[in-house]
Amino acid sequence: GNSVTQMEGPVTLSEEAFLTINCTYTATGYPSLFWYVQYPGEGLQLLLKATKADDKGSNKGFEATYRKETTSFHLEKGSVQVSDSAVYFCALSSTDSWGKLQFGAGTQVVVTP
Amino acid sequence: AAGVIQSPRHLIKEKRETATLKCYPIPRHDTVYWYQQGPGQDPQFLISFYEKMQSDKGSIPDRFSAQQFSDYHSELNMSSLELGDSALYFCASSFYLGLAGGQGVDEQFFGPGTRLTVL
Repeated sequence: GNSVTQMEGPVTLSEEAFLTINCTYTATGYPSLFWYVQYPGEGLQLLLKATKADDKGSNKGFEATYRKETTSFHLEKGSVQVSDSAVYFCALSSTDSWGKLQFGAGTQVVVTP
Repeated sequence: AAGVIQSPRHLIKEKRETATLKCYPIPRHDTVYWYQQGPGQDPQFLISFYEKMQSDKGSIPDRFSAQQFSDYHSELNMSSLELGDSALYFCASSFYLGLAGGQGVDEQFFGPGTRLTVL
């Protein structure tokens, strides 16, 4: 079956540091890949997505590239801010399903001033 | 822009009671998903509907049922509540693009969630 594995947290960084959250997946077919962010006490917000190999999703300074050869979709940001403190979820959706999302365990990111 | 609406936002129930959660998708979205997120856990897919028909089913207990109505809103009915049902319940909506060419569904937009506490 499908699965998503992402690095465990919490990840603690200083403001303006470089952030990387690793995400690898196992899936049948050609999944779409997503990063969702959840701020404390709030719902899930789509951060970025990529629907085919070599696609790069980007938003708010975050980037992730769909790497089929390594089955990875690592999230990166060059300079984090305190406001980036949240839980980040990597997720996939297979084209052979009705779009249900399979999430990774989530990675908590804490950015300190 | 209109977002997914969920009600109620908070719900407190006793064990063995029933609960009904409602979800109003973004206008023109035809697909609704329900997810359950336990404390410190990732969201788990429960069930989905496309055009008022169940399209997929995940780890939804038999005590739970759901449906999508003609106006596309959806309700999740939970009976014989257990302590372990305490969680955040998310609804998400999407627009079905069709399977031709592997398009599947468009991205999902999540509601703010209903926090269910079972005492």
